[in-house]
Amino acid sequence: GDSVTQMEGPVTLSEEAFLTINCTYTATGYPSLFWYVQYPGEGLQLLLKATKADDKGSNKGFEATYRKETTSFHLEKGSVQVSDSAVYFCALSEQGGSYIPTFGRGTSLIVHP
Amino acid sequence: DAGVIQSPRHEVTEMGQEVTLRCKPISGHDYLFWYRQTMMRGLELLIYFNNNVPIDDSGMPEDRFSAKMPNASFSTLKIQPSEPRDSAVYFCASSFMSGGSYEQYFGPGTRLTVT
Repeated sequence: GDSVTQMEGPVTLSEEAFLTINCTYTATGYPSLFWYVQYPGEGLQLLLKATKADDKGSNKGFEATYRKETTSFHLEKGSVQVSDSAVYFCALSEQGGSYIPTFGRGTSLIVHP
Repeated sequence: DAGVIQSPRHEVTEMGQEVTLRCKPISGHDYLFWYRQTMMRGLELLIYFNNNVPIDDSGMPEDRFSAKMPNASFSTLKIQPSEPRDSAVYFCASSFMSGGSYEQYFGPGTRLTVT
């Protein structure tokens, strides 16, 4: 079945540092890939997505590239802010299939001033 | 749109009591999901509906849990009787096709504490 593996957290960075959160996936078909973010006390919200190989999703300074050859969708940001502190979830859903998403376990990011 | 609305936001109840969680999805969305989130088990899919019809409830922990969606704008998740191990944050999410994929929109969650 489908699965998503994320790096374990927490990831602790100083403000303005470079961020990478690794995500790899296993899928039987051709999935769409997503990053969701959960701020404290809130529900998950879509951060960015990509629907085909080599697509780059981007939003709020975050970006991730759909790499079919390495089955990866790593999240990056060039300069993090304290307000980026949250839990980040990588997810996939099969296109043309059930569309039901498979989520990773989440990676907590803590940014210090 | 107001987004996905859940009520109550917090619920504290005693073991053995019935608990009902409510959800209003975003208008026009054709999928509705119920999730549970805990530190130990992370985010778990409990059940989902398509066009108000339950499709897969294999994630429901046991018979004490039930969910209904009587119409396109309302769903409930009921726990009867509740137990301390049911303490968690319960999320409702709705979804529709956008740009060739289904994006999920989550509500703010209901934090349930069973004592």
